[in-house]
Order: sequence, then C-alpha cells, then structure tokens
Amino acid sequence: AQSVSQHNHHVILSEAASLELGCNYSYGGTVNLFWYVQYPGQHLQLLLKYFSGDPLVKGIKGFEAEFIKSKFSFNLRKPSVQWSDTAEYFCAVNAPYSSASKIIFGSGTRLSIRP
Amino acid sequence: DSGVTQTPKHLITATGQRVTLRCSPRSGDLSVYWYQQSLDQGLQFLIQYYNGEERAKGNILERFSAQQFPDLHSELNLSSLELGDSALYFCASSSSTGVVGNTIYFGEGSWLTVV
Repeated sequence: AQSVSQHNHHVILSEAASLELGCNYSYGGTVNLFWYVQYPGQHLQLLLKYFSGDPLVKGIKGFEAEFIKSKFSFNLRKPSVQWSDTAEYFCAVNAPYSSASKIIFGSGTRLSIRP
Repeated sequence: DSGVTQTPKHLITATGQRVTLRCSPRSGDLSVYWYQQSLDQGLQFLIQYYNGEERAKGNILERFSAQQFPDLHSELNLSSLELGDSALYFCASSSSTGVVGNTIYFGEGSWLTVV
C-alpha cells in the first residue's frame, strides 16, 4: 500500500527566504503526486500535480515541485516566500493502477512566515 | 470555489449522539471522498464512493458509515459520538476513480465539535 511522509512538521522562515518542503512516498508502481495547501480557516486547494512527463512541475503562486523517481521524492520549492504563504502544506500520492485507488496524504507541514 | 458543497459548516453535539454530514460533488464528478482532519492525526482518508458504490476504504471507524445516492451526493453518518471525533471532515470529488490522473477537489469542510 502506498504511504506518504512529510518529515518537516513545522517550518519557520523569514520573508524572501527560499523554501523546500520534503515529501517521500512509498510505492513501487506508477504514481500521481500532488501538493495541496490549506490557508488558515480555508479548505484544501490544489497547488500542483504530477502525472507524467517533465518531472519539474510548476504550480500556482510561484511554487514548483520536482519528481525524483529514484528517491521516491516530490519536494515542494519556492525561491522566495511571502507572508501570505503561511499555511499548511500537504503532499499526496495516488496509485492510479492500484486496486485500492485512493489518494493518501502526508501528515502536513505547517509553514510560518515571519514578516 | 471548488464546486464541492458541504453542509453543515459547523456542528456542535453531545457525546453519544449521531450526526449526518452532507456533500454535493462538483457537477459531473462521479467519485466522492471523505477525509477527517484532526489536530493529532492529520488528514486521514475515510472512504471513497464511485457512482454509488464503495470504491475504497481507509481508517473509517465502525461507528461511521457513508453512502452515495443516485444523484451522486453523499452523506457521512457518525454515531455514538466521542470527544475524539471532534474534527474537520472534508468531502472531495473527482471525475474518475484514479485509473487516469486523478485530481480531487475539496469542499470547505464541516467542523464537528463533540462536547
């Protein structure tokens, strides 16, 4: 069964700092990968997704993620964060050809940005 | 606006009671997912329905049940409520079951407080 690990539970950065949030998954087959964001008091929104093709995926609000198959990773990056990026970030994986097709989320990483 | 509608937005009830959470998926989406987000457990997958049939099951307690109706809306029933059931319950929908790249869209969630 697939699983997702986000090792950083809480990340605190200053504005303009660069961001990288780690995400590792465990599944040997084909995967779809996602990053979702939850701003304070709001619902989950899709930031970006990887299905196939170019492993470097660009999403909304300047975020990008790189799928490294050999490392089972899909880390989220942003070169310069803003205060408005304060939110909780969830990595998720789906195994589209698995008999148990569902999207599994990591435990989330809380990002706090100091103004 | 994701197009996924959940009601009620907030609910306060006593231990031992039963509540029903309702979800209307995005127009045209056949898959409905239920997730529980609590402070200590993060985002947990509960159950998925596709076109009226149960498709995948996660960490759903026996006290909880769900169904998807012919008009594709779904209900999550929570019974014999305990304090630990207090959480944000998300409904999400997608157009497929995961065979092809499957993006899911989340509702705003139903806040359940058990007192």
